[in-house]
Amino acid sequence: EIVLTQSPATLSLSPGERATLSCRASQSISSHLAWYQQKPGQAPRLLIYDASNRATGIPARFSGSGSGTDFTLTISSLEPEDFAVYYCQQRSNWPLTFGGGTKVEIK
Amino acid sequence: EVQLEESGGGLVQPGGSLRLSCAVSGFTFSSYALSWVRQAPGKGLEWVSTMSATSSTTYYADSVKGRFTISRDNSKNTLYLQMNSLRAEDTAVYYCAKPHRTTVTTPWDYWGQGTLVTVSS
Repeated sequence: EIVLTQSPATLSLSPGERATLSCRASQSISSHLAWYQQKPGQAPRLLIYDASNRATGIPARFSGSGSGTDFTLTISSLEPEDFAVYYCQQRSNWPLTFGGGTKVEIK
Repeated sequence: EVQLEESGGGLVQPGGSLRLSCAVSGFTFSSYALSWVRQAPGKGLEWVSTMSATSSTTYYADSVKGRFTISRDNSKNTLYLQMNSLRAEDTAVYYCAKPHRTTVTTPWDYWGQGTLVTVSS
């Protein structure tokens, strides 16, 4: 099973600041990584697929990068609605797995 | 408009059974693999099971293999999850999810609102 480790667990930032979230895979997953955003009481929302492709309707302030084992989600300038939990997920091997999540909270 | 609506959750005793349903609309149901993903209270996301578009292939997480069965009825646009031998650790919100492309492992761009399953005596 591929283990995804997200860091940090919590990121305390102010609106307008840049957020950098990390996801590390226990083995190479090429570019088969997605990022989701989840707010309390809501289903997850797909942000990025295949490491760097924004899903439909996702603002340009969200960007993804990386390949192999190290990946990054960057939010260039935090908007109030961006404070949420973010998960990475790999689709390279079965079982499909998620990282443990990074909570982006208001400082 | 794409919609997925889960139903069938509730309170069940350990060792009991429950069948979840996911009724979908707004896309060609028979063209997409569909999945179940769960989230225990206050915890992260866990993939549970996926069924291919033609029902020919199924995949399960080790934690549910042998106890849960995924199925679909393409004539009713409905996905199912039969859950047997339920354990306390199966307590979670269960989501059905549709991938953004027809490839079976493609990430999910549409999700239902979730249905809560509580396993407790």
